[in-house]
Amino acid sequence: QSALTQPASVSGSPGQPITISCTGTSSDVGTYDLVSWYQQHPGKAPKLLIYEVTKRPSGVSNRFSGSKSGNTASLTIFGLQAEDEADYYCCSHAGTPTPHLIFGGGTKLTVL
Amino acid sequence: QVQLQESGPGLVKPSETLSLTCTVSGSSIRSAYYWGWVRQPPGKGLEWIGTAFHSGITHYNPSLKSRVTISLHTSDNQFSLKVTSVTAADTAVYYCVRDNGRSSSDQWGQGTLITVSS
Repeated sequence: QSALTQPASVSGSPGQPITISCTGTSSDVGTYDLVSWYQQHPGKAPKLLIYEVTKRPSGVSNRFSGSKSGNTASLTIFGLQAEDEADYYCCSHAGTPTPHLIFGGGTKLTVL
Repeated sequence: QVQLQESGPGLVKPSETLSLTCTVSGSSIRSAYYWGWVRQPPGKGLEWIGTAFHSGITHYNPSLKSRVTISLHTSDNQFSLKVTSVTAADTAVYYCVRDNGRSSSDQWGQGTLITVSS
């Protein structure tokens, strides 16, 4: 099973919005509303930002927003801040050959 | 406050079996969550390994399924990972995670680096 496709890097200036895409197939992102997003700072464990495409866990800033259209999910960060500079990973449920999860390759966000 | 803590050998020889344990506090592994493992090779992305539920249900990454076993140890509130026939490609930081049942990991351990080398 191939990894979900994410851009290797994105950048933006403080205060601007940025969007990270995550493209899968009809066997994963396109079929299941079970896409999650994680933020990982260097040397740290990943942190859950978004689950079930659009939901935010308690304590996660509402500057983070998730969406999905067809086989592509997206993470938008509004009002970019220096502390948002990190790696971001998407993840989707997949049903075949057996239920499992697939991660994207990761996107490095640089705040200019 | 939920905490997960991995423990393991640090160094494993090629062809041997990698064994890791995750100790959970603040949450019972008999509750309505899945418990699993994610790994990250140095400088690379995340790879989902698998999860287990206290009922005995397990789900594994199809590419690793033949070599991986995740077990829950309810009396100790721990769970474990075994990976057989390891190679250098299994060198990674291994994270234990709590899955909220909606295919997302809401709690993570700090991670432990496992190096496969002779």
